[in-house]
Amino acid sequence: KAGVTQTPRYLIKTRGQQVTLSCSPISGHRSVSWYQQTPGQGLQFLFEYFSETQRNKGNFPGRFSGRQFSNSRSEMNVSTLELGDSALYLCASSLRPSGVGSTDTQYFGPGTRLTVL
Amino acid sequence: AQSVTQLGSHVSVSEGALVLLRCNYSSSVPPYLFWYVQYPNQGLQLLLKYTSAATLVKGINGFEAEFKKSETSFHLTKPSAHMRDAAEYFCAVSEEDSNYQLIWGAGTKLIIKP
Repeated sequence: KAGVTQTPRYLIKTRGQQVTLSCSPISGHRSVSWYQQTPGQGLQFLFEYFSETQRNKGNFPGRFSGRQFSNSRSEMNVSTLELGDSALYLCASSLRPSGVGSTDTQYFGPGTRLTVL
Repeated sequence: AQSVTQLGSHVSVSEGALVLLRCNYSSSVPPYLFWYVQYPNQGLQLLLKYTSAATLVKGINGFEAEFKKSETSFHLTKPSAHMRDAAEYFCAVSEEDSNYQLIWGAGTKLIIKP
């Protein structure tokens, strides 16, 4: 089975621009989560989607948004980029969404490294 | 609030020596606990997870971890380090208070000396 794929792998943008990142989960996985990883803040949860619905959202401003399509592929968008948005954005997929009794392994993609100048 | 503390941002061991990476959590109820590994320029890979079954959990690549409720710890060990173990290791916890989302530790970089 192919793993989680993320495109693009690297992006350079300037402040004020917007960006869209894409994630294709493992075939059959319907839950997709997004994380931001920075040296200062570490790994932080952005949001989780299941069956095209956002189930959970982390503590990020409204500039960060996402969506999931019927084929489970997901995109996240960041508008009005700031220097502090420079990070590695990781996508993870699992069979079922997070919840009581669900300890499905999350499988991570290689990430998209976003640099904001 | 839930938190995960990994003691030591960097741990250095000699090849063949015991690896011990520490993780402590704060949680009011027994959580689910995870260890992930991240190699340079790659995503994270699950090493092992505790889901309220056996307290000693065996994972991939010879790693294991023991859940100790009284100490709120979930330390990761490996009897004999290999050069290929050099990577960053993350401990994570999930429980009802966080809607079962993963709360991550800051990570520990494991350095293997030849």
